[in-house]
Amino acid sequence: DAKTTQPTSMDCAEGRAANLPCNHSTISGNEYVYWYRQIHSQGPQYIIHGLKNNETNEMASLIITEDRKSSTLILPHATLRDTAVYYCIVVKISSGSARQLTFGSGTQLTVLP
Amino acid sequence: KAGVTQTPRYLIKTRGQQVTLSCSPISGHRSVSWYQQTPGQGLQFLFEYFSETQRNKGNFPGRFSGRQFSNSRSEMNVSTLELGDSALYLCASTSTGGVDGYTFGSGTRLTVV
Repeated sequence: DAKTTQPTSMDCAEGRAANLPCNHSTISGNEYVYWYRQIHSQGPQYIIHGLKNNETNEMASLIITEDRKSSTLILPHATLRDTAVYYCIVVKISSGSARQLTFGSGTQLTVLP
Repeated sequence: KAGVTQTPRYLIKTRGQQVTLSCSPISGHRSVSWYQQTPGQGLQFLFEYFSETQRNKGNFPGRFSGRQFSNSRSEMNVSTLELGDSALYLCASTSTGGVDGYTFGSGTRLTVV
């Protein structure tokens, strides 16, 4: 699976949009981009995933560049409860095959009041 | 629907002992994965089970083993515990072969003394 690069930490003001970047320049055609977050001492929480189109759900939006070498997770109105470590992961998906999530160091997002 | 349930939540064991951790996946999920999280190494993949078969294994010694039952519940076992095995052990489940994200449990905090 392709490796990812994320900033170590970011701050965001409460109520503002949080934009978390991720570089995955070696991504291949059948690899998806997944985002998870982990609030201290809890299990990671799935946020969103995409292949090449932009995606939106009730939690966040995922913007993937046309060349798929980078992506941005957007939390539209950050709250204090969004303070967490955010992981960008690239995973090869093929039907019925084994897969594993390779977690990097992630980005520590701190939402400030 | 019920989430991924891991038991016990906390465990203290002595060096040299063995331990068994349990994971009940979300109903209908047939893939169960295990991860170890430590402050030094972060989140690391242990193994994945699907239909009672280990499909994928991470880079851990043979002291770490697991199994999956016909109802998809999974257990992992660590024998001859070492101080370095102290960690948060996380279980995650997902549906079969699709691109859905993994749902993680809250983990079992193992302390080896």
